[in-house]
This record gives sequence, structure tokens and C-alpha cells, in this order.
Amino acid sequence: QKEVEQDPGPLSVPEGAIVSLNCTYSNSAFQYFMWYRQYSRKGPELLMYTYSSGNKEDGRFTAQVDKSSKYISLFIRDSQPSDSATYLCAMTLSGGAQKLVFGQGTRLTINP
Amino acid sequence: DGGITQSPKYLFRKEGQNVTLSCEQNLNHDAMYWYRQDPGQGLRLIYYSQIVNDFQKGDIAEGYSVSREKKESFPLTVTSAQKNPTAFYLCASSANYGYTFGSGTRLTVV
Repeated sequence: QKEVEQDPGPLSVPEGAIVSLNCTYSNSAFQYFMWYRQYSRKGPELLMYTYSSGNKEDGRFTAQVDKSSKYISLFIRDSQPSDSATYLCAMTLSGGAQKLVFGQGTRLTINP
Repeated sequence: DGGITQSPKYLFRKEGQNVTLSCEQNLNHDAMYWYRQDPGQGLRLIYYSQIVNDFQKGDIAEGYSVSREKKESFPLTVTSAQKNPTAFYLCASSANYGYTFGSGTRLTVV
């Protein structure tokens, strides 16, 4: 079993839809959770960063962490074609410069 | 502009050849990482370095080597011992939280 599981998709939704992306993990010691967005043939860019359980909102994006269920989510409201990308979840045991463990990535397409 | 520069963008390797991928950062980050990305497998850690002149193997280090002689530079050599080197290689650096990634090098064996 992989340490972090993420549905690879692909996921295709119409413009304006609410998108839900999810990851589950097995190591209960993970404390820091991230979402990265990766456009085709580019490096990933950090989208959201959260510590421990709870919600964090940034514009149209909301990151949710449920440590009791070992489950994290990223919600995208009012999705736009420019949101079409691969989304990777990542997590680590502690802050600072630590190794990240990544999910497989979910490929998302927003159709105009 | 601060960031990470990877070169070349595309690289072709013949069977039995060693090739070196360059990674340079001007973010003053202590830690640097090399990941390999294959379709459907996410990012897998090859090597990482948390300080100059020190580095550790990641999950898939066999067939790869690195050096960290300067804080700014963390080159990766793909040796002939790596049996399936065709992949997208990503370099990253970090300080307080999260990673900053380069744009990647796509390596193809011909």
C-alpha cells in the first residue's frame, strides 16, 4: 500500500463547477499538508499549505484536512479552464526543510 | 527573480552513456531535492541534500549520483546503471515550508 493515495483521474468537469480532489494517507504522524498544481511540461507550484486538521481558504480554493480520517481535500469553486492541470497532494512529518511524500496526482480538465 | 533553473530542458541519452542534469538555485535555500516523475506514479525521491557537502539517498537512488559542492548547485548524474532512465526529472529546494520546483528536464534514451 502506498503511503499516500490519490485518484489519478482523469477528471473532467464543465466550467463553473465545484471540483473536489482528495487524498488519503496511512501515516498518522504527518502534520503538514500541501497541494501543488502542475501544468503540462512544467514544474509543480505550491497552491495551498496547511498544518494539522482544519480548513484554509484562498480565493476560489479551500484546503481541508481531517487527521482523524487521514483524509485531505482540495475544493475549487467556480472552476475555470485555466484550472486545468494535474493536482498533487503532498505531506510531511514536520515543518522546515523536510522530505515530502507525494500522491500520484489527479489530472483535471475544465471544459468551457 | 529568485528561482530554480534546470538545464537542459530536453536531453537525449544513448545506451551506456552517463548524462548530468543541472540544477541551480538563487533562493539561498539549504535543502535541495531531485525527483523523478513517471506517468501515473507521481513524484519519487532520488536524492536530497540538506546542507553543502552532504546528501542522502531517496527511495530510488540506484543508478543515480549527485554532488553538493556549492549551496546553489545540486547536479544529478544518470549513470548507465540506471536501466530505465526515460522520465521527467524535477529539482526542488526548500527553506521553511513547501518546495520551489524547477521547470524540469525531460530525459529520453535513444
